[in-house]
Amino acid sequence: AQSVTQLGSHVSVSEGALVLLRCNYSSSVPPYLFWYVQYPNQGLQLLLKYTSAATLVKGINGFEAEFKKSETSFHLTKPSAHMSDAAEYFCAVNYQGAQKLVFGQGTRLTINP
Amino acid sequence: KAGVTQTPRYLIKTRGQQVTLSCSPISGHRSVSWYQQTPGQGLQFLFEYFSETQRNKGNFPGRFSGRQFSNSRSEMNVSTLELGDSALYLCASRLGTSDNEQFFGPGTRLTVL
Repeated sequence: AQSVTQLGSHVSVSEGALVLLRCNYSSSVPPYLFWYVQYPNQGLQLLLKYTSAATLVKGINGFEAEFKKSETSFHLTKPSAHMSDAAEYFCAVNYQGAQKLVFGQGTRLTINP
Repeated sequence: KAGVTQTPRYLIKTRGQQVTLSCSPISGHRSVSWYQQTPGQGLQFLFEYFSETQRNKGNFPGRFSGRQFSNSRSEMNVSTLELGDSALYLCASRLGTSDNEQFFGPGTRLTVL
């Protein structure tokens, strides 16, 4: 079965510090992988996606993620956190030919001034 | 180009009632998916419609149903509401079923009292 695991339901970093949000997926074939961000009372906004091209993917707002097949991981990073990055982040997988996204449980990111 | 719109944004119903939520996809998008988001279960896939046909269905009871119109607008209906149906219902659209990127609307917040 398809599954996505996000390690850490809450992550807190200081403004200017590195942001690292972890995501692991279960699959025997390479999937499509996504990171979405959700601000309070809003829908999901796509940050970036991996679709079997470059393994290092750059997204919006300075975020990037690296697909590591050997580790079945797709961790999200940002070199320097900004207060506006405070939100909930979801990793999701869509297996080729599948018609639905399978989401992780989400990680709430808090930025400390 | 306008994004995905959902109406209403907020709804309050009582147990036993039924509710209909509406979603208008991005112009030209023919696929519409629905997701339920709750604090306990996270984001879960409800169903997807393409060309007025349900293509895939998640693991929800028959009280949850949907339909899609010829202009790609979609509605979902929940009958005999239960307290546990309180959630944020998100709609997402994409061009077609082979496209992997889904665009989400702001959601409808349903509260069942």
